[in-house]
Amino acid sequence: AQSVTQLGSHVSVSEGALVLLRCNYSSSVPPYLFWYVQYPNQGLQLLLKYTSAATLVKGINGFEAEFKKSETSFHLTKPSAHMSDAAEYFCAVSGRELRGSNYKLTFGKGTLLTVNP
Amino acid sequence: DAGVIQSPRHEVTEMGQEVTLRCKPISGHDYLFWYRQTMMRGLELLIYFNNNVPIDDSGMPEDRFSAKMPNASFSTLKIQPSEPRDSAVYFCASSLVGRETQYFGPGTRLLVL
Repeated sequence: AQSVTQLGSHVSVSEGALVLLRCNYSSSVPPYLFWYVQYPNQGLQLLLKYTSAATLVKGINGFEAEFKKSETSFHLTKPSAHMSDAAEYFCAVSGRELRGSNYKLTFGKGTLLTVNP
Repeated sequence: DAGVIQSPRHEVTEMGQEVTLRCKPISGHDYLFWYRQTMMRGLELLIYFNNNVPIDDSGMPEDRFSAKMPNASFSTLKIQPSEPRDSAVYFCASSLVGRETQYFGPGTRLLVL
């Protein structure tokens, strides 16, 4: 079974400040991990993904995330927030199995990021 | 590439009516997923297909919901009869290899009065 916990349903930062969105996962198999962003009235767009290569993953728009197996975490960061980063962010986990099929993404509840001028 | 296409983008209907949502996946993708997003429950996977065959429909809430994929380029999600609690945003997503990146459509915002 897989699950994702996003700590904080709403995060507010000032423009230029560090963005930190937290995600912890639970998976019985080595996971794939994803961060998606959803702008108002739009679909989900992939920000970045971890698929067992480098533990520090760089994504679009200056975001990055670090996979920490010991902490079962995959937190999303950006050094300097921009007004255009205001959106909802979803962490997701997908199981990776050699036998059988587990192709489902399990999403967290989402974190709404507000950027104040 | 045009991305995942969904229609309609918005649908308003009355309770008891049939609703059909449509999805065209990215060409060449062999997995297709239907999700529902609500404030209360977040993003839920309803059903997914591999090569047009339904693999897991355990997320379909009840018999009023049905999904089909008659060919590799088209899928429908039908609700009959619709109820107010079905009001949500319904997303379609597709992927080339199921375990990796899923590409989402813009969603259909459904309101059942």
